[in-house]
Amino acid sequence: GAVVSQHPSRVICKSGTSVKIECRSLDFQATTMFWYRQFPKKSLMLMATSNEGSKATYEQGVEKDKFLINHASLTLSTLTVTSAHPEDSSFYICSAIDITSGSGNEQFFGPGTRLTVL
Amino acid sequence: KQEVTQIPAALSVPEGENLVLNCSFTDSAIYNLQWFRQDPGKGLTSLLLIQSSQREQTSGRLNASLDKSSGRSTLYIAASQPGDSATYLCAVLNTGGFKTIFGAGTRLFVKA
Repeated sequence: GAVVSQHPSRVICKSGTSVKIECRSLDFQATTMFWYRQFPKKSLMLMATSNEGSKATYEQGVEKDKFLINHASLTLSTLTVTSAHPEDSSFYICSAIDITSGSGNEQFFGPGTRLTVL
Repeated sequence: KQEVTQIPAALSVPEGENLVLNCSFTDSAIYNLQWFRQDPGKGLTSLLLIQSSQREQTSGRLNASLDKSSGRSTLYIAASQPGDSATYLCAVLNTGGFKTIFGAGTRLFVKA
């Protein structure tokens, strides 16, 4: 099956710093990528949808200046948490779809990145 | 606005029991519905994907059904094992806006 990787898997940073998380589709072209956030013992909350070469579409309540998303190529999307604060600590998961593949819009998920802001 | 509900929120069963997890959604305009498994602190493992035109999918001991008109899906797990203990999430991919909405999950514990 298709593989999506995320890097780093875990990051601890000081309050006020920026953190970049990478999401890569390893063996397919991801026309669309999604970024989710998951709080402990809660479900996944969609943050934004990104299509290669265009600006991301953010969900209501998600600050686009705080969570910068770049989908510069068909295999890479990045999420940058700017000026991170302790309340940004969470589990961030990306997923990818290749809408041209005929796989029925199946989403393939990365393993997630655990961000802890001190 | 699409809402996805999973019942029960938690379930504890003895090993060997067959069980059913339920998922309901309010808007039937979907591309597909996926069932996932998530172990504590880990990412998602896709179990089954049902397209909107399909009624069910099977993989090993798992069978998922979809009734789009009533907004329901079930995940049937046969002969449960302790290794099945995890949180099971269902998610629908909406046609409107092309976004995925997740249910809150069912935490399953299978006792040996």
